[in-house]
Amino acid sequence: SYELAQPLSVSVALGQTAIITCGGNNIGSKSVNWYQQKPGQAPVLVIYTDSSRPSGIPERFSGSNSGNTATLTIYRAQAGDEADYYCQVWDSNFYVFGTGTKVTVL
Amino acid sequence: EVQLLESGGGLVQPGGSLGLSCAASGFTFNNYAMSWVRQAPGKGLEWVSAISHNGGTTYYADSVKGRFTISRDNSKNTLYLQMNSLRVEDMAVYYCAKHGARTVTTIGAFYIWGQGTMVTVSS
Repeated sequence: SYELAQPLSVSVALGQTAIITCGGNNIGSKSVNWYQQKPGQAPVLVIYTDSSRPSGIPERFSGSNSGNTATLTIYRAQAGDEADYYCQVWDSNFYVFGTGTKVTVL
Repeated sequence: EVQLLESGGGLVQPGGSLGLSCAASGFTFNNYAMSWVRQAPGKGLEWVSAISHNGGTTYYADSVKGRFTISRDNSKNTLYLQMNSLRVEDMAVYYCAKHGARTVTTIGAFYIWGQGTMVTVSS
């Protein structure tokens, strides 16, 4: 089965840039989506098809995908960006989520 | 406003059954594929099942295949998940989620999520 590996945690200073990776075999050939989940809340889509932002998502959120790694970048991190982030793809008739990354804003 | 509201969660014994519902509003329900996604306490997200806009195509995670059944009633704008032979490892918050297209596609994302309903499996 297809697996997506994410770092368990990422820390970023307020106003700086956070980079969250999502590793998978030849993930660059797939379409990657990213979700933000705050404690006690449902997930929210922040990036779809590698790099597109849904309406209402700040331009500070950016996505890219190539080779074996997809990346979610959060520019000018704010306290409100503290959350768990999950990548997600489709593989062989299944949707697969990454292991999740907890982002802490210092 | 686009909204999804799950219901039907609760406490069930191992081996028991439970049916979940997801009432949709604010969009043309029969134009979109839908999914169920679950999250065990303190764990990550796990996709459970998906269904096309007209119910003609369904997909299941290996962990629930043969035990769970996804369905929809477009006349009632409602998505369902029938869960049989429940196991302790099925205990989770179950979310319904709206896709961005009619079919379950390779580029499928979950654009809108409900608030979830908790399923507890315990004796």
